[in-house]
Amino acid sequence: AQKITQTQPGMFVQEKEAVTLDCTYDTSDQSYGLFWYKQPSSGEMIFLIYQGSYDEQNATEGRYSLNFQKARKSANLVISASQLGDSAMYFCAMSDASGGSYIPTFGRGTSLIVHP
Amino acid sequence: DTEVTQTPKHLVMGMTNKKSLKCEQHMGHRAMYWYKQKAKKPPELMFVYSYEKLSINESVPSRFSPECPNSSLLNLHLHALQPEDSALYLCASAPSGDQPQHFGDGTRLSIL
Repeated sequence: AQKITQTQPGMFVQEKEAVTLDCTYDTSDQSYGLFWYKQPSSGEMIFLIYQGSYDEQNATEGRYSLNFQKARKSANLVISASQLGDSAMYFCAMSDASGGSYIPTFGRGTSLIVHP
Repeated sequence: DTEVTQTPKHLVMGMTNKKSLKCEQHMGHRAMYWYKQKAKKPPELMFVYSYEKLSINESVPSRFSPECPNSSLLNLHLHALQPEDSALYLCASAPSGDQPQHFGDGTRLSIL
């Protein structure tokens, strides 16, 4: 079974609008970390935001916020006021220790295109 | 600028060559990772080092050989690779296994 599911292969958003990228996860561990990364076409993988499983507040980093719904096992990324430079592939990831060691798992990614 | 440095940025090699990829970080991170990424796909975990010891090997073929000489360096030795090994190879580090990873810019590897 997929540990990280991103159901949106591609998303389009108008510049200055907000966009939500979906991510659901599957783990039986109580302790885990959730992450979002951005990968522009140039290839570098950029860390955006982190949510720990015990964090009660949703994480925020500038224009990025993580909508964490633990009971639903959902960790959606919200980008406010989209910019042209936000066009990239976005990966949701999780690190849990279900096998004894922490192993990071990535979703298949969502390609975001921001229109002027 | 990335805090994880990977060299070389590009590498073209024949199937009989031996080469090495290098990764360096000076953030004091104790977990280091190698990933392989094909175009438009997520990164695939290859190896994880924790406190300089190999903790995870995701059934990677023996033609890929990792090495962690010290807490700041991670190497990936390549020998007798196949054309399907052509990909972007990413190195990452993290303070610990449950923390965010910092990635290098990657090495684009082409096997002729």
